[in-house]
Amino acid sequence: KAGVTQTPRYLIKTRGQQVTLSCSPISGHRSVSWYQQTPGQGLQFLFEYFSETQRNKGNFPGRFSGRQFSNSRSEMNVSTLELGDSALYLCASSETTAVYGYTFGSGTRLTVV
Amino acid sequence: DQQVKQNSPSLSVQEGRISILNCDYTNSMFDYFLWYKKYPAEGPTFLISISSIKDKNEDGRFTVFLNKSAKHLSLHIVPSQPGDSAVYFCAAWAGSEKLVFGKGTKLTVNP
Repeated sequence: KAGVTQTPRYLIKTRGQQVTLSCSPISGHRSVSWYQQTPGQGLQFLFEYFSETQRNKGNFPGRFSGRQFSNSRSEMNVSTLELGDSALYLCASSETTAVYGYTFGSGTRLTVV
Repeated sequence: DQQVKQNSPSLSVQEGRISILNCDYTNSMFDYFLWYKKYPAEGPTFLISISSIKDKNEDGRFTVFLNKSAKHLSLHIVPSQPGDSAVYFCAAWAGSEKLVFGKGTKLTVNP
């Protein structure tokens, strides 16, 4: 079966702009989580959606937001981009809960200049 | 505060020898632990997990050990192969809807 698909793979944006990243989970997976990976910081949890509802949110400013659609596809949005937002953004899906492990997408590499 | 710690940013071993990657945690509510492997330009992939009711779990060349009293777990890879060279992340789950990850350890297996 198809894996987790993230688009686009690479993105370059200018400070102050906004960006939208997309994630299509594995078919049948209803939970989608987003993580930010920066050098030396590991994976920082952004938020998790299940059946179109945000179930959990990490410690990120309100500029970071997300949503999930009825087909479980998810988008995350970052407004007023800052240089520090440059990172690899990873989407992960699971059937119901994270305890069974995630399947990650390949990520979107965002560079803010 | 960092609840899951991988104190060694990097580890280098010879092919055929044992690789031991360590992970410490502070939250006693964690009751399930997972290891992920990540190659450059790819997302992390699930490797092996362990429940807090066990102290050991094996899957082929990979074994995870859990010491609850010390809040410590380790991943053993025997024998190590060059294809094992990657970044390894330790992750923990405490019943919420997220995994808490460490910062990762970069393993290099030299031929």
